[in-house]
Amino acid sequence: LAKTTQPISMDSYEGQEVNITCSHNNIATNDYITWYQQFPSQGPRFIIQGYKTKVTNEVASLFIPADRKSSTLSLPRVSLSDTAVYYCLVGDGSARQLTFGSGTQLTVLP
Amino acid sequence: NAGVTQTPKFRVLKTGQSMTLLCAQDMNHEYMYWYRQDPGMGLRLIHYSVGEGTTAKGEVPDGYNVSRLKKQNFLLGLESAAPSQTSVYFCASSRDSGNTIYFGEGSWLTVV
Repeated sequence: LAKTTQPISMDSYEGQEVNITCSHNNIATNDYITWYQQFPSQGPRFIIQGYKTKVTNEVASLFIPADRKSSTLSLPRVSLSDTAVYYCLVGDGSARQLTFGSGTQLTVLP
Repeated sequence: NAGVTQTPKFRVLKTGQSMTLLCAQDMNHEYMYWYRQDPGMGLRLIHYSVGEGTTAKGEVPDGYNVSRLKKQNFLLGLESAAPSQTSVYFCASSRDSGNTIYFGEGSWLTVV
């Protein structure tokens, strides 16, 4: 199974860009990289997914280098409401299990 | 547009009692999952299913059983509840293992 490693916590201020990096050294060829956001007392929700290079949507960008052994979630101009836990998830097609790591607690300060 | 629905949302059990958590999804997804999340921790996979009639063990399956008799439903059973099973339980579904996972709102279970 592809294991992921993320920082435990990060602090930022409103209006700043936040980059959260995830390491996944044993990512498989068929694996996609997906990021989820979780607010307290709620289930995680999908943010963005990618396979290689760069993906951008209305809320975030995902940067994946050529070797795919890491990925970086970029949140532009964060606000207080972006305070949450962010999980990096790597799909393992062979085992068909999706393992969440401990996630990164992002705290946005005023 | 319900998505993934879990019942009950809250439950208090006495040690040794049994109960079943019900998960229903209306997205025609093949894959369904049960996770548990302890305070300050990430999600740990209990059991999962890759289709109707199939189930498989996840990371922490002991003390739990599951059934997937219908494609839209995934049941999680606790035969003899223990205080260590006090947790928040999340059900989820996805079209395939590489696709977006949709989560329910969680079920808070306390075993006293």
